Amino acid sequence: DAGVTQSPTHLIKTRGQQVTLRCSPISGHKSVSWYQQVLGQGPQFIFQYYEKEERGRGNFPDRFSARQFPNYSSELNVNALLLGDSALYLCASSSNRGLGKNTEAFFGQGTRLTVV
Amino acid sequence: GNSVTQMEGPVTLSEEAFLTINCTYTATGYPSLFWYVQYPGEGLQLLLKATKADDKGSNKGFEATYRKETTSFHLEKGSVQVSDSAVYFCALYSTGNQFYFGTGTSLTVIP
Repeated sequence: DAGVTQSPTHLIKTRGQQVTLRCSPISGHKSVSWYQQVLGQGPQFIFQYYEKEERGRGNFPDRFSARQFPNYSSELNVNALLLGDSALYLCASSSNRGLGKNTEAFFGQGTRLTVV
Repeated sequence: GNSVTQMEGPVTLSEEAFLTINCTYTATGYPSLFWYVQYPGEGLQLLLKATKADDKGSNKGFEATYRKETTSFHLEKGSVQVSDSAVYFCALYSTGNQFYFGTGTSLTVIP
């Protein structure tokens, strides 16, 4: 079975532009979460979507938005890009809204966004 | 609030040396604790986890024990290999259905 797939793998954008990142969760998984990993740091939580509704939001400005589609894939949008948005954006999928003893989150390989 | 503090890197060890990466946490509620590994150019892979106090997670020779009294989840391996070279992240999962990650510890194992 395919794991979590993200596209594109790499992206270069100019300051002020807008970007859309895509994530396809593992088949059967209904929860998708997005994380931002700045170089040299640990990932920071941006959003969680479960059953197509936003279930959690991290401390990110309104320039960041996301949505989840009926097939549970998800898009992360970032408007008015800043140099500081340069990071690896990770998507994680899981079968349930929360993680329990027998529920695991699986991460994709990420999208490397460079803002110049 | 929730936070994770892990040992600063980078760590360089010779093959077959003993590895310890320290991790302590602050949490509200009853968190689950995780170690993730990130190889160059890749995403995060779950290495091991523990969901309650005194649980020991283990995988591929790595071990970590959930110590509530010291709020710690230190990662250990008795004999590292070159293939263990990667960045290791300690994380907790608690209220809000989100992970809180440490800053990562880079490990390089030399032959």
